[in-house]
Amino acid sequence: NAGVTQTPKFQVLKTGQSMTLQCAQDMNHNSMYWYRQDPGMGLRLIYYSASEGTTDKGEVPNGYNVSRLNKREFSLRLESAAPSQTSVYFCASKTGTSAGELFFGEGSRLTVL
Amino acid sequence: GENVEQHPSTLSVQEGDSAVIKCTYSDSASNYFPWYKQELGKGPQLIIDIRSNVGEKKDQRIAVTLNKTAKHFSLHITETQPEDSAVYFCAPTYSGYSTLTFGKGTMLLVSP
Repeated sequence: NAGVTQTPKFQVLKTGQSMTLQCAQDMNHNSMYWYRQDPGMGLRLIYYSASEGTTDKGEVPNGYNVSRLNKREFSLRLESAAPSQTSVYFCASKTGTSAGELFFGEGSRLTVL
Repeated sequence: GENVEQHPSTLSVQEGDSAVIKCTYSDSASNYFPWYKQELGKGPQLIIDIRSNVGEKKDQRIAVTLNKTAKHFSLHITETQPEDSAVYFCAPTYSGYSTLTFGKGTMLLVSP
């Protein structure tokens, strides 16, 4: 069972460069999420997609864009990376729009120099 | 939005001891109370959850207790083992919401 798969696992960028983090789930889940994790800050929601065709901002959306490509895939794009975006990024999914278990990927560690 | 606080932020115990982590929340509408465990280098994973119509739930060495009046719930781990060492997150929410707000996490270290 693959679950939630994120690529790449590690990436180093220079300030101003762009990149896309990819996420795919094989559990037929409707809702998908992008979180960032920083020391002492817990998990903060960047964007989410409650269902295919919709996306909404979370707590910290500035500097990011997302695309829900289809039911399986939800990508996160940094158009012009900044050092403040150095973080570990987690993609997650769950079956419905109401409260329930979130399934997380293994994370993508991004460093912006 | 939900204001979530976890205490303590770090907890060190000896193997075999019990550990308790407390989560307080602000939204009185919250009715779903999960705990997630994050091992080093991995994503968080749900370990136990409780809904507001239940005061306590147990799963082997893990239990969650809920005090809705005081707006807090706690994770109890008995007979701790080194493999319990991880960061634990609470994420109280209302069942009709699409998103979870996580606490800042508690790092549990179990020494052999």
